[in-house]
Amino acid sequence: QKEVEQNSGPLSVPEGAIASLNCTYSDRGSQSFFWYRQYSGKSPELIMFIYSNGDKEDGRFTAQLNKASQYVSLLIRDSQPSDSATYLCAVNVDDKIIFGKGTRLHILP
Amino acid sequence: SQTIHQWPATLVQPVGSPLSLECTVEGTSNPNLYWYRQAAGRGLQLLFYSVGIGQISSEVPQNLSASRPQDRQFILSSKKLLLSDSGFYLCAWNDPIRDTPGKLFFGSGTQLSVL
Repeated sequence: QKEVEQNSGPLSVPEGAIASLNCTYSDRGSQSFFWYRQYSGKSPELIMFIYSNGDKEDGRFTAQLNKASQYVSLLIRDSQPSDSATYLCAVNVDDKIIFGKGTRLHILP
Repeated sequence: SQTIHQWPATLVQPVGSPLSLECTVEGTSNPNLYWYRQAAGRGLQLLFYSVGIGQISSEVPQNLSASRPQDRQFILSSKKLLLSDSGFYLCAWNDPIRDTPGKLFFGSGTQLSVL
């Protein structure tokens, strides 16, 4: 069974610090990887995606991919209270998008 | 611009009653369409996806079904709801031509409570 694993948290990070969110996946055939943010009671929204090994930066967000270790991470620099949300890792497996259960992030003012 | 409409926003139904949730997408053609469910304390579970009219793939065998009668319309149904069907139901779409698979755009969701 294809799985995407995340620590459920909550992960508490002081405002202004770096938040580090991690995700592992089981299917070595996975080609693309996504991070979604979901505020309580709302629908998820895409914030980052990555295909290639290494880092991809977009503003305060950096996605990191290591296919050999089957590991994806999301770094949020200069964390803000508005970053408090659940972050969902998702993996594309044969055009089916499989989500992890999400990590709750809480930014402490 | 593209928009996705999903309704109703909330729904309370008794056990054994039928269900129909509808989702429509505007501003695009031939989208891939998805139904997900998010139960309390659980992740997003893919229920159905569709790459075209009448083409439905089921991921979770249960008492739910899906139909795509028109290109931009996706319907989730049940003949008899179970308590375990409670959850947050999300419709999503992506453009298989212009978007990378996995770049999903979600509707606002339906919070279903089965009592």
